Amino acid sequence: EIVLTQSPATLSLSPGERATLSCRASQSVSSYLAWYQQKPGQAPRLLIYDASNRATGIPARFSGSGSGTDFTLTISSLEPEDFAVYYCQQRSNWPSGTFGQGTKVEIK
Amino acid sequence: QVQLVQSGAEVKKPGASVKVSCKASGYTFTSYGISWVRQAPGQGLEWMGWISAYNGNTNYAQKLQGRVTMTTDTSTSTAYMELRSLRSDDTAVYYCARDWRGASVVGWFDPWGQGTLVTVSS
Repeated sequence: EIVLTQSPATLSLSPGERATLSCRASQSVSSYLAWYQQKPGQAPRLLIYDASNRATGIPARFSGSGSGTDFTLTISSLEPEDFAVYYCQQRSNWPSGTFGQGTKVEIK
Repeated sequence: QVQLVQSGAEVKKPGASVKVSCKASGYTFTSYGISWVRQAPGQGLEWMGWISAYNGNTNYAQKLQGRVTMTTDTSTSTAYMELRSLRSDDTAVYYCARDWRGASVVGWFDPWGQGTLVTVSS
């Protein structure tokens, strides 16, 4: 089973700062990786798919990069609504779809 | 708009079964699969399995094999997830999600249902 490890567990930043979140796979997942955002009491929302494609309606401040085993989600300038938990997910062995443990982006 | 609406919260005793529904609207139901994901209180996301709404093929997470069954009713555009022999550690919010592909080779979860809280307690 492919394991996804996200780091850091918590990121404390101020609005306007740049956020860089990491997701590392235990083996190559090619570009079959997505990022989701989850706010308290809400269902997750798809942000990035196929490692670097923004989903419909996602602001340009969100970007994804990487391939193989190392991936990054970057939020160029944090808005107040961006403070949330972010999960990466791989589907290289579709339809299985394992998730990372999440990174919480909190207000400093 | 594309929407998935799930059934309401459930409270079950250990050993019982629960069946959660997920009604789709705004798209052709048989064109996409449905995945189920659960989230224990304060924990991360756990993929449970997938069902093709086109032909009913399924793929379940290994740890749930034998206890979970996913089905669809194409006449009502509804997906179902049944979990049997419930234990206290099955207490979680259960989500359905459309397996959307777009131009991708694989599917991604978009959108998600609102979630159904299942509480297992004696």
